[in-house]
This record gives sequence, C-alpha cells and structure tokens, in this order.
Amino acid sequence: DAKTTQPNSMESNEEEPVHLPCNHSTISGTDYIHWYRQLPSQGPEYVIHGLTSNVNNRMASLAIAEDRKSSTLILHRATLRDAAVYYCILRAAGGTSYGKLTFGQGTILTVHP
Amino acid sequence: NAGVTQTPKFQVLKTGQSMTLQCAQDMNHEYMSWYRQDPGMGLRLIHYSVGAGITDQGEVPNGYNVSRSTTEDFPLRLLSAAPSQTSVYFCASSRAVRLALANEQFFGPGTRLTVL
Repeated sequence: DAKTTQPNSMESNEEEPVHLPCNHSTISGTDYIHWYRQLPSQGPEYVIHGLTSNVNNRMASLAIAEDRKSSTLILHRATLRDAAVYYCILRAAGGTSYGKLTFGQGTILTVHP
Repeated sequence: NAGVTQTPKFQVLKTGQSMTLQCAQDMNHEYMSWYRQDPGMGLRLIHYSVGAGITDQGEVPNGYNVSRSTTEDFPLRLLSAAPSQTSVYFCASSRAVRLALANEQFFGPGTRLTVL
C-alpha cells in the first residue's frame, strides 16, 4: 500500500487558516486521497477526498499537487472544534488493497483560543 | 438513519474469555470493516467484507473471526481474549467501491475493550 507522511503535530490560532500537509510520493494513478479527522474519544469522521483536481466542501478544501505526490488540507477558519487528529489516507481502488483505508499516525492539530 | 451502531460501548474481559462485538448499519452499505486503535496510534484494519457472505483479512486478523450473513450486520468475534487485544474497536461501512471509487466511510462510536 502506498504510504503517506504527515507532520506529527501543528498548532493554530482560532479563526486563522490552517494548512495541513501530506506527502504521498508513491501514490498510484488510481489512488484517491482521503482526509479523515478524529476528535477525542470519537470514531474517525470523513473530511474530504480528491483524485487530481482541487476540491472544496463545507468543511475544508483539498489542494492536490500537479504530480499528485503531495496534498494539503486547508481549514479556512479554524475553530476550537477543529482540534483533532487529521489523517491523510490513500484509498486503493483495486488489487489486493481493494477499498481499504490505511491509517498512519496523523497530525495532531491544536487550536488556541 | 442511525448510521453505524456498535455494542457494547465498554467491555472488560478476563484472559481466555470469548465475546462478540456487534456492528450494524442501516444505510444499505455493501462494504464493512473492523479496525482497532491502540493508544497514541492510528487505526489498523482487522477484517473487512465487500458484501454479504464475503469476508477477508486485513492487517491484524489473528485472534479475530468475522462473518457477514446479512448486509446490515458485521460482528467481530474474539475467540480467546488476550491482554494484547485491549484496544478501542471501530466498525465502519461504505457503499460498494465498484460503484464510486471515492466512497466516504462512516465509522461507529467505538467499543472500548479491556482484557485483564
């Protein structure tokens, strides 16, 4: 399975934008880039996903590099409720890794009031 | 929709005991999976199922069994509990991958298991 690399932790102030980076240099052409987050004592929650083009939804934006070897999750205005562990995951569409989500260590985001 | 539900929320077992963690979803999802999360770590895939009657092993399947007799339910059985199985267990579901390669996975609230 292709792996992702994320910083262990990041900090932000409330109402400021946050850019969470992810490197995935061994990504294959059919892998989707997914982001999930996990709030304390809860199950993971879907944030956003993309394949090649940048994506926006009500929670965040996803910027994907042209060569797809890296991506950035953008929270436009961080709130205290955004404090969580953020996981960047490659979702395989075929082969022996069919449909699986492989979680790494993630980035612990701390948001200061 | 209730989404993905898991029971029990908490469980304490003694070494050697067996038990079943229940997982159910009401979204008619074909794909279901079980993960475990140890303290300070990401989730690791135990078993998964792409549809009723079909299951396969994930990254850490030893000591666990699964079955998928219906689309809605995907129970996880611990055959003989060991302290190394102390963890938080999450069940997840999504639509069939073949229909939309970028399916969102929905996770349950988790079961916190302690094996003494």
